[in-house]
Amino acid sequence: EVQLSESGGGLVQPGGSLRLSCAASGFTFSTYPMNWVRQAPGKGLEWVSAISDSGGSTYYTDSVKGRFTISRDNSKNTLYLQMNSLRAEDTAVYYCAKHWSNSNPSFDHWGQGTLVTVSS
Amino acid sequence: DIQMTQSPSTLSASLGDRVAITCRASQSIGKKLAWYQQKPGKAPNLLIYKASSLESGVPSRFSGSGSETEFTLTISSLQPEDFATYYCQQYTSGWTFGQGTKVEIK
Repeated sequence: EVQLSESGGGLVQPGGSLRLSCAASGFTFSTYPMNWVRQAPGKGLEWVSAISDSGGSTYYTDSVKGRFTISRDNSKNTLYLQMNSLRAEDTAVYYCAKHWSNSNPSFDHWGQGTLVTVSS
Repeated sequence: DIQMTQSPSTLSASLGDRVAITCRASQSIGKKLAWYQQKPGKAPNLLIYKASSLESGVPSRFSGSGSETEFTLTISSLQPEDFATYYCQQYTSGWTFGQGTKVEIK
């Protein structure tokens, strides 16, 4: 059974940093691209970042470019999101999500989410 | 960037109703479209991919159609567990979600 479990969320002041983790199990992690998707309170879904199966290619939505860094450790079956220079508008539940396959980049499994609150 | 626009934003319906949600893309995306269901406090759940392919384990009352710029998610007979918010997502150029359609009880 595929399982994704996020951790690392919490309360941080504007300008601060946080690192999210997503522990994966139940599938061959190293062969699937992965994503981070966020949802601000009461709002819709927003794709944040993606990383290829090897980690060699990364992608970001414009609003986080230069501030967030996605990475993965395939030996630990773990996905990361390093978030720097956090802003109030980054407040959201952050989900990690797995690609259906390399040729089908819809998201077939999601974690339960971790809440990030940026506030002074 | 490709924009995705869903309509309606809210849909009031009764048990057993046939309902349809529309998603329009700002440019052609072929059939690179997925539909998700999200219930309050839960992660989204994939329903449809490649515009019309039903994800494993999803009830057959859900169906998807369309191509290029106009897509539809249809629920043939609304069940109690279907009251939720639905999102479309394009994945031809990056990933973009529609703003969501809340299906509520009439």
